[in-house]
Amino acid sequence: GESVGLHLPTLSVQEGDNSIINCAYSNSASDYFIWYKQESGKGPQFIIDIRSNMDKRQGQRVTVLLNKTVKHLSLQIAATQPGDSAVYFCAEKKNSWGKLQFGAGTQVVVTP
Amino acid sequence: EPEVTQTPSHQVTQMGQEVILRCVPISNHLYFYWYRQILGQKVEFLVSFYNNEISEKSEIFDDQFSVERPDGSNFTLKIRSTKLEDSAMYFCASGRDHRTSGSSTDTQYFGPGTRLTVL
Repeated sequence: GESVGLHLPTLSVQEGDNSIINCAYSNSASDYFIWYKQESGKGPQFIIDIRSNMDKRQGQRVTVLLNKTVKHLSLQIAATQPGDSAVYFCAEKKNSWGKLQFGAGTQVVVTP
Repeated sequence: EPEVTQTPSHQVTQMGQEVILRCVPISNHLYFYWYRQILGQKVEFLVSFYNNEISEKSEIFDDQFSVERPDGSNFTLKIRSTKLEDSAMYFCASGRDHRTSGSSTDTQYFGPGTRLTVL
């Protein structure tokens, strides 16, 4: 069936560098794409989302890019900090109140 | 800042026993969800609930599962006869503030989860 998946299971980043986490999706009907951060022992924490009619959205130190042509989503974290170490999930949904379909997750490890 | 809360944080039960996982969604939210995450795997959707009824459910959510909103604040997930494969983290989420319904985000906010261990 259609799914959302991640390219890299683990990303090691030096503190202060920028991080890029990638995600591929296959459901063309999805209208919303979301990034969540999950720290060990905690629930997913919303980071940023983007709707299908946009290709870029910026937040505080984070930017989400959406390329509908190749069905690709990415999360950029500027000046990565130790507190950014976590598993990052991309997720999609067909409408604003619909179920979230999560990808497999990428472990980001920030090294000093 | 309001948040979703869940109890208990950890539940250990024997196979075949019934468990009830409890959640208090964010007040003013209209949609409620249960997800689960088996150790080391991705988060999976179980069920969504709106206007006192199930709006969508996954294949995982079979007749052993049920949800209820017994009052104006709690949202529960019941597993009638637990199986070993039900062992997972169960997350409650809520979304869509009725004061801003129809906004572009309708973000789903997750609780800290209940770790269910079935022995």
